[in-house]
Amino acid sequence: EAGVAQSPRYKIIEKRQSVAFWCNPISGHATLYWYQQILGQGPKLLIQFQNNGVVDDSQLPKDRFSAERLKGVDSTLKIQPAKLEDSAVYLCASSLEQGEAFFGQGTRLTVV
Amino acid sequence: DAKTTQPTSMDCAEGRAANLPCNHSTISGNEYVYWYRQIHSQGPQYIIHGLKNNETNEMASLIITEDRKSSTLILPHATLRDTAVYYCIVRENNNDMRFGAGTRLTVKP
Repeated sequence: EAGVAQSPRYKIIEKRQSVAFWCNPISGHATLYWYQQILGQGPKLLIQFQNNGVVDDSQLPKDRFSAERLKGVDSTLKIQPAKLEDSAVYLCASSLEQGEAFFGQGTRLTVV
Repeated sequence: DAKTTQPTSMDCAEGRAANLPCNHSTISGNEYVYWYRQIHSQGPQYIIHGLKNNETNEMASLIITEDRKSSTLILPHATLRDTAVYYCIVRENNNDMRFGAGTRLTVKP
């Protein structure tokens, strides 16, 4: 079974630029999560989708972050404009209706 | 805003059992206890989960107290490759999964 795919693996941008991350969940997984993990901290949930609907985006900084999951499969997370404090690893995970979540390798973002 | 409390770090000798505690005193009846681990530079990896009964799989055992206010993850024979950050999470079936800071386990030769 293929795992959760994320791209790119690494990205370096200047502050105030825009960036987008892509996630392809495991086939058949209805639930998709995006997390931000700052160095030395646990992952912080940004948004949770159930199919193409948003279940929880309470911790998403909506003034600069946006996410979509068109057709309930792939998802993109965008930051516009980026700030230095957005430097982190962005993790995508997916799960069935119940049970464990499977994580991708993440995208390491560096904002300079 | 994690609902769990874990020690910041622990050491374990290679080949010995690693016992990682977790407190979740406010757990509700519908919430499961999940354990994940994160090896450096990788995404978190699922280990095990349970509701009330103790659970065992090929990776670990999960012991949940009768009042469900705490649990222990047991790695029966720790190896150097088990060095990682271990996260204890409580959640309902498909609700959001919120991580705390976890326990950094170091397995020493």
